[in-house]
Amino acid sequence: GAVVSQHPSRVICKSGTSVKIECRSLDFQATTMFWYRQFPKQSLMLMATSNEGSKATYEQGVEKDKFLINHASLTLSTLTVTSAHPEDSSFYICSARASGGWDTQYFGPGTRLTVL
Amino acid sequence: RKEVEQDPGPFNVPEGATVAFNCTYSNSASQSFFWYRQDCRKEPKLLMSVYSSGNEDGRFTAQLNRASQYISLLIRDSKLSDSATYLCVVIRMEYGNKLVFGAGTILRVKS
Repeated sequence: GAVVSQHPSRVICKSGTSVKIECRSLDFQATTMFWYRQFPKQSLMLMATSNEGSKATYEQGVEKDKFLINHASLTLSTLTVTSAHPEDSSFYICSARASGGWDTQYFGPGTRLTVL
Repeated sequence: RKEVEQDPGPFNVPEGATVAFNCTYSNSASQSFFWYRQDCRKEPKLLMSVYSSGNEDGRFTAQLNRASQYISLLIRDSKLSDSATYLCVVIRMEYGNKLVFGAGTILRVKS
């Protein structure tokens, strides 16, 4: 099946630093990529949707200047958490979708961010 | 009120038991429904779609009641490997086909 990779799988950083997470679709072209965040014992919450070559669309309550998303190619999207704080510690999961709709949406393995 | 609500559990059952999970959704415009499985510290994986007529995949049976806005998942003959969090997911076309996740129900199958 299709594979979506994320890097890094785990990151620990100091408060105030920025962290970049990469999401790659390995064997298909992802016209749309989604970034989710999941706090312990809570559901996945969609943060933003990005289409290749255009600006990301952020969900209500998500700060676009804090969570920078770049979808520069059909196989790569990046999420940069700028000036991270302990409350940003979470499980970040990307998902890539080809042109066919929901059933062609595949999830990455997630990145666990811990901000000290 | 959350758009997708689930009993968080945990459901602790012995091997071989039958267990049922319920889910309700608040938006009547929801058009597609799924159950995902998420293992600890892993990404969610699609378990099965849910159709109005009900559908079965091996030991798993999913049901949808549009009138009550209610979705269920039945697992028969539980295995240890079924231990996971089960996520109820809906899609609204008007929401750009985006997946809306419930918080999940934890299942622990014990020997």
